[in-house]
Amino acid sequence: GDSVTQMEGPVTLSEEAFLTINCTYTATGYPSLFWYVQYPGEGLQLLLKATKADDKGSNKGFEATYRKETTSFHLEKGSVQVSDSAVYFCALSEGSGGYNKLIFGAGTRLAVHP
Amino acid sequence: ETGVTQTPRHLVMGMTNKKSLKCEQHLGHNAMYWYKQSAKKPLELMFVYNFKEQTENNSVPSRFSPECPNSSHLFLHLHTLQPEDSALYLCASSQRSGVYNEQFFGPGTRLTVL
Repeated sequence: GDSVTQMEGPVTLSEEAFLTINCTYTATGYPSLFWYVQYPGEGLQLLLKATKADDKGSNKGFEATYRKETTSFHLEKGSVQVSDSAVYFCALSEGSGGYNKLIFGAGTRLAVHP
Repeated sequence: ETGVTQTPRHLVMGMTNKKSLKCEQHLGHNAMYWYKQSAKKPLELMFVYNFKEQTENNSVPSRFSPECPNSSHLFLHLHTLQPEDSALYLCASSQRSGVYNEQFFGPGTRLTVL
């Protein structure tokens, strides 16, 4: 079945460092791809999404490009802040019956130090 | 209230207790979801309701019993749980149509089974 694989964390960076969190997927169809973020004590929030190959999702300085040839959707940010410390989840969407079923990766914890 | 709300935020229960988790969405969505988030495991989809009809049960033990009385409310009734059921239970909602629509998550209920 469909699956998502993320790099294991935790990822520890200094403020203003460059961030990459790798995500690859396996899917039989053409899924939509998402990055969700979970701040401490909160639920998941959608960070960005891409719905077809070569689309780039972006939000709050984060970017990810849907690469069909490498089945990847890596998350990047040029300069991280302490407030970016959170757990990041890559996910793909299988659509059926009028709703989208999300398949999540295991999550990558990011810790940013001043 | 806006978005997706969940009550209670924290719950401690014994293995012989019966309790219920409540989720309410104020977004006019038609699909609602229960997820289980355990330490060091990917988010697990438990149940999906689409227009109040259960459309997915992801092999969840019968000690978890969902109820969806209308499109805005979702309950998870718990009875004779096991310590390994301790986790963060997340509720989410989405619009009915299309694979591109994001799921909006509540803050979760942190459940501890003694």
